[in-house]
Amino acid sequence: AQSVTQLDSQVPVFEEAPVELRCNYSSSVSVYLFWYVQYPNQGLQLLLKYLSGSTLVESINGFEAEFNKSQTSFHLRKPSVHISDTAEYFCAVSSDSSYKLIFGSGTRLLVRP
Amino acid sequence: EPEVTQTPSHQVTQMGQEVILRCVPISNHLYFYWYRQILGQKVEFLVSFYNNEISEKSEIFDDQFSVERPDGSNFTLKIRSTKLEDSAMYFCASSLDRGRYQPQHFGDGTRLSIL
Repeated sequence: AQSVTQLDSQVPVFEEAPVELRCNYSSSVSVYLFWYVQYPNQGLQLLLKYLSGSTLVESINGFEAEFNKSQTSFHLRKPSVHISDTAEYFCAVSSDSSYKLIFGSGTRLLVRP
Repeated sequence: EPEVTQTPSHQVTQMGQEVILRCVPISNHLYFYWYRQILGQKVEFLVSFYNNEISEKSEIFDDQFSVERPDGSNFTLKIRSTKLEDSAMYFCASSLDRGRYQPQHFGDGTRLSIL
């Protein structure tokens, strides 16, 4: 069975500081990995995805994530955060055997001025 | 950009009553999903739907739940006899295809409160 673990429930950080949100997964098959973001009172928006190929994937707003198969991780990073990045971030996994998304418990990123 | 829309945004229902949550997926999408998130817990998969039938469902999706695509635009989730533990945020999602290259697009959710 697949599972996703997000180790940090909340990450407070000052504006313009770097941040890393951790995600680890377990699966016995090849996986596809996703990060979704949820802004207050909104739905889940796809931030970035790893399907195959380059292990480093980037989003249009400066976030990046690196797929590390040996460590079964897909951590999300941003070198300099903005107040507007304050949101809940969810890591998710799916596979060819089932296209349902399995989510982690989420990490609330709180960016302070 | 096309969106998945869900109505209502908040639904309050007495325990034992039937409730229908509505979703309008993105117009050219073919696969539809329902997820739920109980307060303080993970987002959980409920069911996926394609070609007018359920393609996969979770253990949560028991006989009290049903899904339907009554016309060419709506996708509904019905809970026949609601329980207190059905209180959650329910998310609808759709994707163009079921392949791994087709991401799921989510609506803003319906908060269901059972009294």
